[in-house]
Amino acid sequence: TAGITQAPTSQILAAGRSMTLRCTQDMRHNAMYWYRQDLGLGLRLIHYSNTAGTTGKGEVPDGYSVSRANTDDFPLTLASAVPSQTSVYFCASSRDATVVGTDTQYFGPGTRLTVL
Amino acid sequence: GQSLEQPSEVTAVEGAIVQINCTYQTSGFYGLSWYQQHDGGAPTFLSYNGLDGLEETGRFSSFLSRSDSYGYLLLQELQMKDSASYFCAVSYKLIFGTGTRLQVFP
Repeated sequence: TAGITQAPTSQILAAGRSMTLRCTQDMRHNAMYWYRQDLGLGLRLIHYSNTAGTTGKGEVPDGYSVSRANTDDFPLTLASAVPSQTSVYFCASSRDATVVGTDTQYFGPGTRLTVL
Repeated sequence: GQSLEQPSEVTAVEGAIVQINCTYQTSGFYGLSWYQQHDGGAPTFLSYNGLDGLEETGRFSSFLSRSDSYGYLLLQELQMKDSASYFCAVSYKLIFGTGTRLQVFP
């Protein structure tokens, strides 16, 4: 079982360019999440989706957008990248999100993004 | 504001016991989770406390006191492979602490 896959593994992006980070899970989990991780700041929630067709804003949503057209996929888009978006991005999923955060989250391997 | 505080670094020797504390201040609270992350890897779930008290999973235990806004992760019989970063996280908007780096020495 693959669990959660993310693509690309790493990317260098010029400032002002757009980029979509891909995330796919095969566990049929209802909820999915996007985090960014920066040194000394831990993990910060960007956006989440409790179920297909719905999305919500996390702690740091500005500059990012998401969509949830189906259960398995949860892409994260940077419309116009800036250097402050240089980070490691983790996608995660959980079986249920009746109350956000109470269910075990499973994380993908991450995407390392550098914006120059 | 919302914040979680945990020590930045802890060191210990193989076979020892170590406790990583986490205090939180959040506008809402459902429970406290703990995650482990090895360098270059993804976070993996360790435990969740929704109620006050101790939860035990093998060598790892986690404790929660809602009245004190405090929890801890207890690691027993430390092994070299336990060297990693450990994050506490509060349910309700999924706020993570900044992590505690544990180094286990032989």
